[in-house]
Amino acid sequence: LAKTTQPISMDSYEGQEVNITCSHNNIATNDYITWYQQFPSQGPRFIIQGYKTKVTNEVASLFIPADRKSSTLSLPRVSLSDTAVYYCLVWRRGASKIIFGSGTRLSIRP
Amino acid sequence: SAVISQKPSRDICQRGTSLTIQCQVDSQVTMMFWYRQQPGQSLTLIATANQGSEATYESGFVIDKFPISRPNLTFSTLTVSNMSPEDSSIYLCSVTTSGRVNEQYFGPGTRLTVT
Repeated sequence: LAKTTQPISMDSYEGQEVNITCSHNNIATNDYITWYQQFPSQGPRFIIQGYKTKVTNEVASLFIPADRKSSTLSLPRVSLSDTAVYYCLVWRRGASKIIFGSGTRLSIRP
Repeated sequence: SAVISQKPSRDICQRGTSLTIQCQVDSQVTMMFWYRQQPGQSLTLIATANQGSEATYESGFVIDKFPISRPNLTFSTLTVSNMSPEDSSIYLCSVTTSGRVNEQYFGPGTRLTVT
């Protein structure tokens, strides 16, 4: 499985757009990029996945360049409630498990 | 999606004892997993709970220490046996409702403290 690298922590302010970039240089053809969000004292929550280009849902957008060696999770106009740990994962189609990396601890300030 | 409940939500146990954690899902699911998360750390997969057969354990986890049952498609238990303070952690159950293992739904977790 491709190893992922993401910043340990990030800070931002309410109303700002936050972009968290994840590096996965060894991504393979059958690999999908997945992001989870974990609020304090809760289990992680699946938020978005993609293979290439751009994916958007009600929570976030995911941008994946053509070479797929990185991806960027974009959170528009964050609020205090977006304070959480965000995990970037690479999942190989057909694999029977996922591996969580260290995640990015995002802190939003008023 | 799936709604997952875990019991107990937290417990404080003495060294040398065992605790069984229950995971109940509101619908039949394809796969169930057990994770451990130590305070401030990421999640570590303990095992995949297989319905009707022995669980599949990850490296570093053994059946004698973490026996798992999955009698049907909506329920699983994880037992933490012969506990030591190093077992203090949050234990999380997760499931998939489709064939895509990367889309997992997690329970709220069980916070275990061993004294």
